[in-house]
Amino acid sequence: ELKVEQNPLFLSMQEEKNYTIYCNYSTTSDRLYWYRQDPGKSLESLFVLLSNGAVKQEGRLMASLDTKARLSTLHITAAVHDLSATYFCAVESSYDKVIFGPGTSLSVIP
Amino acid sequence: GAVVSQHPSWVICKSGTSVKIECRSLDFQATTMFWYRQFPKQSLMLMATSNEGSKATYEQGVEKDKFLINHASLTLSTLTVTSAHPEDSSFYICSGREGLLEQYFGPGTRLTVT
Repeated sequence: ELKVEQNPLFLSMQEEKNYTIYCNYSTTSDRLYWYRQDPGKSLESLFVLLSNGAVKQEGRLMASLDTKARLSTLHITAAVHDLSATYFCAVESSYDKVIFGPGTSLSVIP
Repeated sequence: GAVVSQHPSWVICKSGTSVKIECRSLDFQATTMFWYRQFPKQSLMLMATSNEGSKATYEQGVEKDKFLINHASLTLSTLTVTSAHPEDSSFYICSGREGLLEQYFGPGTRLTVT
Protein backbone atom coordinates (compact mmCIF):
# COMPACT_ATOMS: atom_id res chain seq x y z
CA GLU A 1 0.00 0.00 0.00
CA LEU A 2 1.34 3.38 -1.01
CA LYS A 3 2.06 5.71 1.91
CA VAL A 4 3.21 9.30 1.65
CA GLU A 5 4.86 11.25 4.45
CA GLN A 6 5.84 14.88 4.71
CA ASN A 7 8.26 16.61 7.01
CA PRO A 8 7.76 18.96 8.71
CA LEU A 9 4.01 19.16 9.18
CA PHE A 10 4.20 22.71 10.46
CA LEU A 11 6.77 25.28 9.51
CA SER A 12 7.10 28.82 10.71
CA MET A 13 9.83 30.68 8.94
CA GLN A 14 11.05 34.21 8.75
CA GLU A 15 10.95 36.25 5.59
CA GLU A 16 14.05 36.02 3.41
CA LYS A 17 15.08 32.68 4.93
CA ASN A 18 15.43 29.40 3.03
CA TYR A 19 13.87 26.10 3.95
CA THR A 20 13.06 22.67 2.55
CA ILE A 21 9.98 20.48 2.82
CA TYR A 22 10.54 16.76 2.41
CA CYS A 23 8.21 14.16 0.93
CA ASN A 24 8.89 10.45 1.33
CA TYR A 25 6.84 7.68 -0.25
CA SER A 26 6.80 3.93 0.15
CA THR A 27 6.47 2.40 -3.33
CA THR A 28 7.60 3.03 -6.88
CA SER A 29 6.08 6.17 -8.32
CA ASP A 30 5.28 7.18 -11.86
CA ARG A 31 4.51 10.78 -11.09
CA LEU A 32 4.82 13.12 -8.12
CA TYR A 33 2.86 16.31 -7.67
CA TRP A 34 3.28 19.32 -5.46
CA TYR A 35 0.22 21.42 -4.70
CA ARG A 36 -0.51 24.56 -2.76
CA GLN A 37 -3.76 25.12 -0.89
CA ASP A 38 -4.90 28.39 0.63
CA PRO A 39 -7.50 28.26 3.41
CA GLY A 40 -10.96 27.42 2.08
CA LYS A 41 -9.71 27.00 -1.46
CA SER A 42 -8.99 24.09 -3.76
CA LEU A 43 -5.59 22.94 -4.90
CA GLU A 44 -3.19 24.90 -7.04
CA SER A 45 -0.80 22.76 -9.05
CA LEU A 46 2.82 23.77 -8.53
CA PHE A 47 4.93 21.02 -10.07
CA VAL A 48 4.63 17.63 -11.70
CA LEU A 49 7.80 15.54 -11.52
CA LEU A 50 8.14 12.55 -13.77
CA SER A 51 11.61 11.12 -13.65
CA ASN A 52 14.58 10.55 -11.41
CA GLY A 53 16.66 13.67 -11.04
CA ALA A 54 13.88 15.93 -12.26
CA VAL A 55 14.19 19.49 -11.01
CA LYS A 56 11.68 22.25 -11.63
CA GLN A 57 11.68 25.85 -10.48
CA GLU A 58 9.03 28.52 -10.39
CA GLY A 59 9.82 31.77 -8.67
CA ARG A 60 11.01 31.11 -5.12
CA LEU A 61 10.03 27.43 -5.21
CA MET A 62 12.11 24.56 -6.53
CA ALA A 63 11.10 20.91 -6.52
CA SER A 64 13.26 17.87 -7.08
CA LEU A 65 12.74 14.13 -7.28
CA ASP A 66 14.97 11.21 -6.35
CA THR A 67 13.09 8.07 -7.29
CA LYS A 68 15.77 5.77 -5.93
CA ALA A 69 15.47 7.30 -2.48
CA ARG A 70 11.71 7.75 -2.94
CA LEU A 71 12.15 11.33 -1.89
CA SER A 72 11.03 14.66 -3.23
CA THR A 73 11.94 18.06 -1.86
CA LEU A 74 10.31 21.45 -2.15
CA HIS A 75 12.84 24.18 -1.52
CA ILE A 76 11.77 27.68 -0.61
CA THR A 77 14.21 30.47 -1.28
CA ALA A 78 14.00 33.86 0.44
CA ALA A 79 10.50 33.31 1.74
CA VAL A 80 7.89 36.02 1.50
CA HIS A 81 4.53 36.28 3.27
CA ASP A 82 2.62 35.40 0.11
CA LEU A 83 4.02 31.88 0.31
CA SER A 84 2.08 31.18 3.52
CA ALA A 85 -0.20 28.23 2.70
CA THR A 86 -0.43 24.46 3.06
CA TYR A 87 1.73 22.46 0.68
CA PHE A 88 0.89 18.91 -0.28
CA CYS A 89 2.90 16.35 -2.13
CA ALA A 90 0.94 13.63 -3.87
CA VAL A 91 2.25 10.43 -5.40
CA GLU A 92 0.83 8.49 -8.31
CA SER A 93 1.76 4.85 -8.54
CA SER A 94 1.26 2.62 -11.58
CA TYR A 95 -0.67 5.40 -13.36
CA ASP A 96 -3.40 4.66 -10.90
CA LYS A 97 -4.74 6.62 -7.98
CA VAL A 98 -2.95 9.53 -6.41
CA ILE A 99 -2.29 9.48 -2.69
CA PHE A 100 -1.68 12.68 -0.79
CA GLY A 101 0.74 13.41 1.99
CA PRO A 102 -0.51 14.99 5.21
CA GLY A 103 0.48 18.47 4.12
CA THR A 104 2.91 21.04 5.47
CA SER A 105 1.38 24.18 6.90
CA LEU A 106 3.77 27.03 6.17
CA SER A 107 3.65 30.40 7.88
CA VAL A 108 6.05 33.10 6.80
CA ILE A 109 6.46 35.76 9.44
CA PRO A 110 8.12 39.17 9.17
CA GLY B 1 -3.59 23.50 -17.78
CA ALA B 2 -6.89 21.73 -18.25
CA VAL B 3 -10.01 22.94 -16.46
CA VAL B 4 -12.34 21.03 -14.16
CA SER B 5 -15.47 22.61 -12.75
CA GLN B 6 -17.67 21.57 -9.85
CA HIS B 7 -21.23 22.46 -9.05
CA PRO B 8 -22.37 23.61 -6.63
CA SER B 9 -19.46 25.33 -4.93
CA TRP B 10 -21.24 25.10 -1.62
CA VAL B 11 -24.42 23.46 -0.42
CA ILE B 12 -26.32 23.23 2.83
CA CYS B 13 -28.75 20.37 3.31
CA LYS B 14 -30.78 18.90 6.11
CA SER B 15 -29.89 15.66 7.77
CA GLY B 16 -31.47 12.70 6.01
CA THR B 17 -31.66 14.30 2.59
CA SER B 18 -29.50 13.57 -0.45
CA VAL B 19 -27.28 15.95 -2.35
CA LYS B 20 -25.65 15.63 -5.76
CA ILE B 21 -22.33 17.19 -6.72
CA GLU B 22 -21.29 17.51 -10.36
CA CYS B 23 -17.76 17.41 -11.70
CA ARG B 24 -17.10 18.41 -15.31
CA SER B 25 -13.99 18.42 -17.43
CA LEU B 26 -14.34 21.45 -19.66
CA ASP B 27 -11.56 21.09 -22.22
CA PHE B 28 -10.48 17.47 -22.10
CA GLN B 29 -11.96 14.02 -21.98
CA ALA B 30 -11.69 12.67 -18.46
CA THR B 31 -11.39 8.95 -18.90
CA THR B 32 -10.78 8.68 -15.16
CA MET B 33 -12.22 10.83 -12.42
CA PHE B 34 -11.36 10.79 -8.75
CA TRP B 35 -13.35 11.96 -5.76
CA TYR B 36 -11.64 13.19 -2.62
CA ARG B 37 -12.88 14.36 0.76
CA GLN B 38 -11.07 16.84 2.95
CA PHE B 39 -11.97 17.57 6.56
CA PRO B 40 -10.78 20.83 8.15
CA LYS B 41 -7.03 21.02 8.61
CA GLN B 42 -6.56 17.55 7.15
CA SER B 43 -5.24 16.17 3.92
CA LEU B 44 -7.22 14.94 0.95
CA MET B 45 -8.49 11.41 1.27
CA LEU B 46 -9.31 9.49 -1.88
CA MET B 47 -12.86 8.19 -1.76
CA ALA B 48 -13.24 6.51 -5.13
CA THR B 49 -11.95 6.20 -8.66
CA SER B 50 -14.26 6.02 -11.62
CA ASN B 51 -13.59 5.19 -15.24
CA GLU B 52 -16.06 6.32 -17.85
CA GLY B 53 -18.77 3.74 -18.34
CA SER B 54 -17.64 1.54 -15.48
CA LYS B 55 -18.58 1.15 -11.87
CA ALA B 56 -16.54 3.19 -9.44
CA THR B 57 -13.85 1.61 -7.28
CA TYR B 58 -14.20 2.69 -3.68
CA GLU B 59 -11.42 3.00 -1.15
CA GLN B 60 -11.53 0.95 2.00
CA GLY B 61 -13.90 2.42 4.54
CA VAL B 62 -15.97 4.40 2.04
CA GLU B 63 -19.59 3.23 1.86
CA LYS B 64 -20.51 2.75 -1.77
CA ASP B 65 -24.23 2.77 -1.01
CA LYS B 66 -23.92 6.11 0.71
CA PHE B 67 -21.66 7.82 -1.79
CA LEU B 68 -23.04 7.05 -5.22
CA ILE B 69 -20.72 7.85 -8.09
CA ASN B 70 -21.74 7.98 -11.72
CA HIS B 71 -19.35 8.60 -14.61
CA ALA B 72 -21.65 8.28 -17.57
CA SER B 73 -19.71 10.47 -20.00
CA LEU B 74 -16.16 11.57 -20.66
CA THR B 75 -16.89 15.03 -19.29
CA LEU B 76 -19.18 14.45 -16.34
CA SER B 77 -19.05 12.57 -13.07
CA THR B 78 -21.48 12.96 -10.20
CA LEU B 79 -21.23 12.18 -6.51
CA THR B 80 -24.49 11.76 -4.62
CA VAL B 81 -24.35 11.77 -0.85
CA THR B 82 -27.41 9.83 0.24
CA SER B 83 -29.11 10.27 3.60
CA ALA B 84 -26.56 12.85 4.59
CA HIS B 85 -25.61 13.33 8.22
CA PRO B 86 -23.64 16.11 9.93
CA GLU B 87 -20.50 13.94 9.93
CA ASP B 88 -20.63 14.00 6.12
CA SER B 89 -19.99 17.75 6.20
CA SER B 90 -16.73 18.20 4.38
CA PHE B 91 -14.97 19.70 1.37
CA TYR B 92 -15.43 17.39 -1.62
CA ILE B 93 -12.95 17.75 -4.47
CA CYS B 94 -12.96 15.93 -7.78
CA SER B 95 -10.18 15.53 -10.29
CA GLY B 96 -10.07 14.31 -13.85
CA ARG B 97 -7.43 12.72 -16.00
CA GLU B 98 -7.29 11.93 -19.70
CA GLY B 99 -5.60 8.61 -20.28
CA LEU B 100 -2.28 8.52 -18.46
CA LEU B 101 -1.81 12.29 -18.36
CA GLU B 102 -1.65 14.28 -15.15
CA GLN B 103 -4.78 14.91 -13.16
CA TYR B 104 -6.48 18.27 -12.78
CA PHE B 105 -8.55 19.30 -9.80
CA GLY B 106 -11.88 21.03 -9.54
CA PRO B 107 -12.46 23.97 -7.20
CA GLY B 108 -14.25 21.85 -4.61
CA THR B 109 -17.72 21.73 -3.07
CA ARG B 110 -18.26 22.59 0.55
CA LEU B 111 -21.07 20.49 2.01
CA THR B 112 -22.70 21.40 5.30
CA VAL B 113 -25.31 19.05 6.72
CA THR B 114 -27.51 20.55 9.44
